[in-house]
Amino acid sequence: NAGVTQTPKFQVLKTGQSMTLQCAQDMNHEYMSWYRQDPGMGLRLIHYSVGAGITDQGEVPNGYNVSRSTTEDFPLRLLSAAPSQTSVYFCASNTRDRKSSYNSPLHFGNGTRLTVT
Amino acid sequence: GQQLNQSPQSMFIQEGEDVSMNCTSSSIFNTWLWYKQDPGEGPVLLIALYKAGELTSNGRLTAQFGITRKDSFLNISASIPSDVGIYFCAGPRQTGANNLFFGTGTRLTVIP
Repeated sequence: NAGVTQTPKFQVLKTGQSMTLQCAQDMNHEYMSWYRQDPGMGLRLIHYSVGAGITDQGEVPNGYNVSRSTTEDFPLRLLSAAPSQTSVYFCASNTRDRKSSYNSPLHFGNGTRLTVT
Repeated sequence: GQQLNQSPQSMFIQEGEDVSMNCTSSSIFNTWLWYKQDPGEGPVLLIALYKAGELTSNGRLTAQFGITRKDSFLNISASIPSDVGIYFCAGPRQTGANNLFFGTGTRLTVIP
């Protein structure tokens, strides 16, 4: 299992450009989510999905779009990049632990470091 | 939004020393989680706590779920260089939710 795979690892954009951050998981997890990490602020939830075809907003959704057409993939789109979106982006997935009824731990990818100039 | 405040923000310690860090919340959590992030990687779960007052160990790590359910503590004994990283506390955004609020992080540096 590769786990959660994010591409690209690094990206530099100019203000106003668009791009898609890719995330794929091979663990058949129903839950997927996107976080951004900024210095001194921990990780903040952008968007999440509880299954294919279902997405919802997190704490900081503005400027980002998501879709979940398959269980495996959860791309994050920046329609018009702004310098405030300079950050490290993490995708995560998890599932329901059938034995304990708690959710399994979040499995994180290794992140995409985005700089918007 | 929810605030999870961690202290200290950063620590520099000598190898072999014990480490303590804590996390406080403005509201109650029913689950507390502690994650570690190595440089250039995503966070990895260290310990999960599910009951107020619970004390759980994972090797040299021990974490406690505060009685008030508004705080949690993580201790690392006999630190080693590979303990370097950022430690985050986290709790579910809603009961049973699959996504989390994260604390602000404690950056640990271990001096050999």
